[in-house]
Amino acid sequence: AQSVTQLDSQVPVFEEAPVELRCNYSSSVSVYLFWYVQYPNQGLQLLLKYLSGSTLVKGINGFEAEFNKSQTSFHLRKPSVHISDTAEYFCALNTGGFKTIFGAGTRLFVKA
Amino acid sequence: EAQVTQNPRYLITVTGKKLTVTCSQNMNHEYMSWYRQDPGLGLRQIYYSMNVEVTDKGDVPEGYKVSRKEKRNFPLILESPSPNQTSLYFCASRTGQSNQPQHFGDGTRLSIL
Repeated sequence: AQSVTQLDSQVPVFEEAPVELRCNYSSSVSVYLFWYVQYPNQGLQLLLKYLSGSTLVKGINGFEAEFNKSQTSFHLRKPSVHISDTAEYFCALNTGGFKTIFGAGTRLFVKA
Repeated sequence: EAQVTQNPRYLITVTGKKLTVTCSQNMNHEYMSWYRQDPGLGLRQIYYSMNVEVTDKGDVPEGYKVSRKEKRNFPLILESPSPNQTSLYFCASRTGQSNQPQHFGDGTRLSIL
């Protein structure tokens, strides 16, 4: 069975500091991996996706993620965060079927 | 503008009173899905539909029904709501390819007293 584990439920960080949101997955088959962001009172929006090829994926708003097959991880990073990055972030996987498995989410708080 | 529209955005109701949450997408997507979001649990899939008249259970289908009579619409029906169905609900759609991301509505917050 597939699963997604987001290792931190909350991450506080100061503005302009770097941040890493961690995501580990479990799957016996190839995966498609996604990071979504949810701003207050809104639905989820796609940040970036890994389908195949280059393991470093760049997304919107300066975010990037690195796919590491040996460590079954897909951590999200940003070198310098802004107050506007305060949101909840979800890692998700699909193995080519009809179901998408989501992690429990990580709340990023950016402090001035 | 490409979008997924859910209605209502907020609803407070009582146990046992049937309700329907509507979902419509304007992207001609084959695949649609319903999720519930609960604190600490992330999003859990309730039902999904691969195309018109084709639906299947997700991970938490108990107490819910769906239908897909038209490609653009995928309503979620709670025939006899109970307090444990109080949650934030999202509808999503994508193309028929599983490597494509989903587009989400803005959510429906249901409170069942």
